[in-house]
Amino acid sequence: GDSVTQMEGPVTLSEEAFLTINCTYTATGYPSLFWYVQYPGEGLQLLLKATKADDKGSNKGFEATYRKETTSFHLEKGSVQVSDSAVYFCALSVTDSSYKLIFGSGTRLLVRP
Amino acid sequence: DAGVTQSPTHLIKTRGQQVTLRCSPKSGHDTVSWYQQALGQGPQFIFQYYEEEERQRGNFPDRFSGHQFPNYSSELNVNALLLGDSALYLCASSLRSAQYFGPGTRLTVT
Repeated sequence: GDSVTQMEGPVTLSEEAFLTINCTYTATGYPSLFWYVQYPGEGLQLLLKATKADDKGSNKGFEATYRKETTSFHLEKGSVQVSDSAVYFCALSVTDSSYKLIFGSGTRLLVRP
Repeated sequence: DAGVTQSPTHLIKTRGQQVTLRCSPKSGHDTVSWYQQALGQGPQFIFQYYEEEERQRGNFPDRFSGHQFPNYSSELNVNALLLGDSALYLCASSLRSAQYFGPGTRLTVT
């Protein structure tokens, strides 16, 4: 069945460091791909998305490119801030009419000043 | 424009009791999905409602049921609560593929 695998955390970085969080997927068909962010005690916020191969999603300095050949959707940011500390979830939406989301297990990012 | 809202924020129940959680979708959205997020894990799909009917269901027992009203708001009901039902319950609304989440209801079963 469809699934998402993320790198395990926590990922600890100093402020202004480069961030990569790896995400790979297994899916039937051509799903849309998403990154969600969850701050402590809150729900999920949609960070970015890509709906087809080679699309690049971007928002707030974060980027991810839909790579069909490697079934990946890695999240990157050139210079992280303390305020980026959160849990990041990679997800895919299934290709039936429900578009239900299948999530990875999440990666906790801690950015130190 | 109000986003997705959920109530209550927190809830404490005893094993065997029943609980109802509520969700109001983002304006213009007609589909509501419910997810369960256990501590330290990614959300798991419970079910989805569209046009007041359950369109799809995840791997959850029949103790979990739901409803969607004509104004697209939705309820999640859980009967015969177990300790393992303690989790953050997230509601997401959508019009097509992108789902937007509410802040969640934290359910604690003691």
